[in-house]
Amino acid sequence: KQEVTQIPAALSVPEGENLVLNCSFTDSAIYNLQWFRQDPGKGLTSLLLIQSSQREQTSGRLNASLDKSSGRSTLYIAASQPGDSATYLCAVRVVMIKAAGNKLTFGGGTRVLVKP
Amino acid sequence: NAGVTQTPKFQVLKTGQSMTLQCAQDMNHNSMYWYRQDPGMGLRLIYYSASEGTTDKGEVPNGYNVSRLNKREFSLRLESAAPSQTSVYFCASSHNYNEQFFGPGTRLTVL
Repeated sequence: KQEVTQIPAALSVPEGENLVLNCSFTDSAIYNLQWFRQDPGKGLTSLLLIQSSQREQTSGRLNASLDKSSGRSTLYIAASQPGDSATYLCAVRVVMIKAAGNKLTFGGGTRVLVKP
Repeated sequence: NAGVTQTPKFQVLKTGQSMTLQCAQDMNHNSMYWYRQDPGMGLRLIYYSASEGTTDKGEVPNGYNVSRLNKREFSLRLESAAPSQTSVYFCASSHNYNEQFFGPGTRLTVL
């Protein structure tokens, strides 16, 4: 059974510092990995999707890396801002045996606070 | 485009009452999902639908039923609500195995 872990559960940094968020998964046979942001009381916003064949994906100040062999992904947020304060979730897509079915297994999230 | 929309946003039920949560997407996605999010338990898949006319159980399907009404709409029904079903419910959609997009959620309290 795939298990996804995000450590630490909470992180506080001063504005301007780079953020490094970790995600680890137990089964390296993944299809892809997705990073989300969730603001309090809101839904999940997709940030980046990395296919299993990719090593990294970039969008603006965000960069996500993927190392399937070690079961790890890292989300880097450059020059953090107070508006980056949110919970960040990673999710691994496992292709189910049945055709066309697929599910995301989520980590518990890292709650980030960027202090002005 | 509205993306994924969910109704209602909030709901309070008494134990034993029934209700249906509605979800619709306008992205022409074939796959749709229902998740619940609980403190300390994270997000868990309840049911999913890989295409119109098909549905499959996820991790926590007990106490729920779903209907894929058409390509756009996927509803979740609680036949006899229990306090253990107090949660935040999210609908999501994707094109096959690609990026999943989530709705804003429904906060459900069962007394």
